[in-house]
Amino acid sequence: DIQMTQSPASLSASVGETVTITCRASENIYSYLAWYQQKQGKSPQLLVYNAKTLAEGVPSRFSGSGSGTQFSLKINSLQPEDFGSYYCQHHYGTPYTFGGGTKLEIK
Amino acid sequence: QIQLVQSGPELKKPGETVKISCKASGYTFTNYGMNWVKQAPGKGLKWMGWINTYTGEPTYADDFKGRFAFSLETSASTAYLQINNLKNEDMATYFCAREGGPSSGIFDYWGQGTTLTVSS
Repeated sequence: DIQMTQSPASLSASVGETVTITCRASENIYSYLAWYQQKQGKSPQLLVYNAKTLAEGVPSRFSGSGSGTQFSLKINSLQPEDFGSYYCQHHYGTPYTFGGGTKLEIK
Repeated sequence: QIQLVQSGPELKKPGETVKISCKASGYTFTNYGMNWVKQAPGKGLKWMGWINTYTGEPTYADDFKGRFAFSLETSASTAYLQINNLKNEDMATYFCAREGGPSSGIFDYWGQGTTLTVSS
């Protein structure tokens, strides 16, 4: 199975800052990488798929990049509603696997 | 609008069986696969498998073979997750998630989650 490793596990930032979360795949997954945001007590929401395509309704301050085994999610000008947990997931065939998550907290 | 509405929280004893439902609306149910994802308390997301809503064929991740069963009631646009012989480690929130395209692996809509508590 493909292993997904995210870093950092947690991150503290202020409103207005720019942050980057990284995700590494254990083998080449080309651009088959998705990102999800999950707020406490809620279900995950799709942010990005195919490494860099924003899901419908996702603000343009979010951007995804990368290919192969190294990927990143960048959030420009953090807003209060951006705090929560973020997960990467490969969608290069089953079994799909998620990264361990990054908890983004308010500084 | 597209919605996945799951059944309510469950409290079960070890050894019992639970069946969780996921009712879809706002789209043609049989055109999109349905996946199931487990989230243990304070932990990350784990893909359990999916069911082809057109053929009814389930596929299970290795850790979810044996006691777990996916099923459908197509006429009601509803998918089900059944867990038999419950164990303490089954205690978690379970999500259904629509797959956005054939074998895409992209989960574009999620249910609100069903929390399962297993306690004697």
